Amino acid sequence: DIVMTQSPDSLAVSLGERATINCKSSHSVLYSSNNKNYLAWYQQKPGQPPKLLIYWASTRESGVPDRFSGSGSGTDFTLTISSLQAEDVAVYYCQQYYSTLPYTFGQGTKLEIK
Amino acid sequence: QVQLVQSGAEVKKPGSSVKVSCKASGGTFSNFAISWVRQAPGQGLEWMGGIIPFLGKANYAEKFQGRVTITADESTSTAYMELSSLRSEDTALYYCARGGSLSYFDPWGQGTLVTVSS
Repeated sequence: DIVMTQSPDSLAVSLGERATINCKSSHSVLYSSNNKNYLAWYQQKPGQPPKLLIYWASTRESGVPDRFSGSGSGTDFTLTISSLQAEDVAVYYCQQYYSTLPYTFGQGTKLEIK
Repeated sequence: QVQLVQSGAEVKKPGSSVKVSCKASGGTFSNFAISWVRQAPGQGLEWMGGIIPFLGKANYAEKFQGRVTITADESTSTAYMELSSLRSEDTALYYCARGGSLSYFDPWGQGTLVTVSS
């Protein structure tokens, strides 16, 4: 299985400040034939299902504010929130959807307001 | 725009089975994979398995192999996840999502709470 490890487990950031969440995979999720990273980021608020934020490691889903951005390639990825808003308080998960089953998620990072 | 609506909460006895449904509306059903993901209370997300409806063949995570059966009915645009030999550790929210088969997961159903208790 591809193991996804997020850091940190929890994070407290002041409103308007930058938040950065890292995700490391135990195997590259870069598909050489199309040069795409099979890596997604999800946001989950209490009592709600996960919501897709970023796919292909850096493509923002329609309707997602541009303060959210994804970067990285191969095995190391980052989700950045450029200016934290109160509504961004949530748990964030990375996930690989590369060809090797099972599809695996990181353990989650809980983001709070400092 | 595809929407996924799941069946309601269930309370089951240990050793029994549960079958959760996931009905798609607003888009193409047969050509896209449907995955099932569970989330134990206060825990993270765990992929259980998935199916591409028009192919009819499901793939399962090794952890659930032998206990889970995922099916799809193209005529009603509904996917199903049946989990057998339930134990207390299976108490969780069960989500369906369009995705898998080299695709990210979007959208997600609202989740179905399954409680296993004697």
